[in-house]
Amino acid sequence: QQQVKQSPQSLIVQKGGISIINCAYENTAFDYFPWYQQFPGKGPALLIAIRPDVSEKKEGRFTISFNKSAKQFSLHIMDSQPGDSATYFCAASDNYGQNFVFGPGTRLSVLP
Amino acid sequence: ETGVTQSPTHLIKTRGQQVTLRCSSQSGHNTVSWYQQALGQGPQFIFQYYREEENGRGNFPPRFSGLQFPNYSSELNVNALELDDSALYLCASSTDRVGGYTFGSGTRLTVV
Repeated sequence: QQQVKQSPQSLIVQKGGISIINCAYENTAFDYFPWYQQFPGKGPALLIAIRPDVSEKKEGRFTISFNKSAKQFSLHIMDSQPGDSATYFCAASDNYGQNFVFGPGTRLSVLP
Repeated sequence: ETGVTQSPTHLIKTRGQQVTLRCSSQSGHNTVSWYQQALGQGPQFIFQYYREEENGRGNFPPRFSGLQFPNYSSELNVNALELDDSALYLCASSTDRVGGYTFGSGTRLTVV
């Protein structure tokens, strides 16, 4: 019940295209859902996060869509750029963010 | 630029040895969590410290232990190293256990 599933495992998108990564969870106690971006040799960096009281959050080219009833959330990257090529992790935590449960990651490659 | 600094960046140890990894958080970040990230996987929660007390623990054996100091630095100690302990170890800090953790770049530990 603590698991967060993530798909696809890898994704190749042309420059200017839309990248979509999906995640699903089981634990209804989760109330904070961040997305992290990780470049090789670096730690994860917070990209965007959402709480379950909203269905969508947009920051620049990045949008999180959240479906509480389906227990699913997704990251959309609009106008994908080669600089977006990285591994993306969804995560979920319960009250106070004590323990983030991470998905297995999606390796995104944006072709020039 | 991340405000969380980890040292060393790389480390090679022999099975059975002990290791101490260090993390220096931003001033005011009274919460630090440690994660283990195996190659090609998402980070796994080891434990969290809040105001110098352990505040939660993941599914890791007692040979993984930690300390947090008043100057916002912390340590992860691992005794009796095993080959499977080879991974990237990440610390992440925040204020008052709230989401939006800042990760360091990690320490790459190799056990031979």
